[in-house]
Amino acid sequence: AQSVSQHNHHVILSEAASLELGCNYSYGGTVNLFWYVQYPGQHLQLLLKYFSGDPLVKGIKGFEAEFIKSKFSFNLRKPSVQWSDTAEYFCAVNAEYGNKLVFGAGTILRVKS
Amino acid sequence: GAGVSQSPRYKVAKRGQDVALRCDPISGHVSLFWYQQALGQGPEFLTYFQNEAQLDKSGLPSDRFFAERPEGSVSTLKIQRTQQEDSAVYLCASSLVLRPIFSDGYTFGSGTRLTVV
Repeated sequence: AQSVSQHNHHVILSEAASLELGCNYSYGGTVNLFWYVQYPGQHLQLLLKYFSGDPLVKGIKGFEAEFIKSKFSFNLRKPSVQWSDTAEYFCAVNAEYGNKLVFGAGTILRVKS
Repeated sequence: GAGVSQSPRYKVAKRGQDVALRCDPISGHVSLFWYQQALGQGPEFLTYFQNEAQLDKSGLPSDRFFAERPEGSVSTLKIQRTQQEDSAVYLCASSLVLRPIFSDGYTFGSGTRLTVV
């Protein structure tokens, strides 16, 4: 069975700091990878996704993620965070083009203004 | 409406009580999913519908959990004889396409927070 591990449960940063959230998955076959974000009081929204091709994918709001197959990782990055990035971030994996997602436990990011 | 609507928003149930949670997907969305999110955890897959057909129910934790989507639109997740470990946020998600993985994925609702006391 697939599983997803997110390294940090809580991250606190000051505005303009750089962000990197770790995500590792366990599955040896074909995977599709996702980052979802949940802003306070809102529903889960797709931030970015990786299917194939360039392992560096860019998403909305300046976020990007890099797929490193040899490390089973899909880390999320942003060069300079803003207060409005305060949210919970979930990494998710889909295996073999099935329809369900397996989520990590989430990382709560708080950006101090 | 423009989004996936779930009701009730909050539900408190006494242990042993039956509950029914409703999901109104976006009109025309053929795929519908239920996820369970326990406190401090990520969402966990429960079940998946394509129109009225329940194609995958492998994530339902016990036979106390039952989901239906009789007309291919509104779905209900029913939990019988609720236990404290059922306390969680229950999320519904829908998608216009049959294979949402290949599109921009799912539109999630805001969830129903179930507390069993």
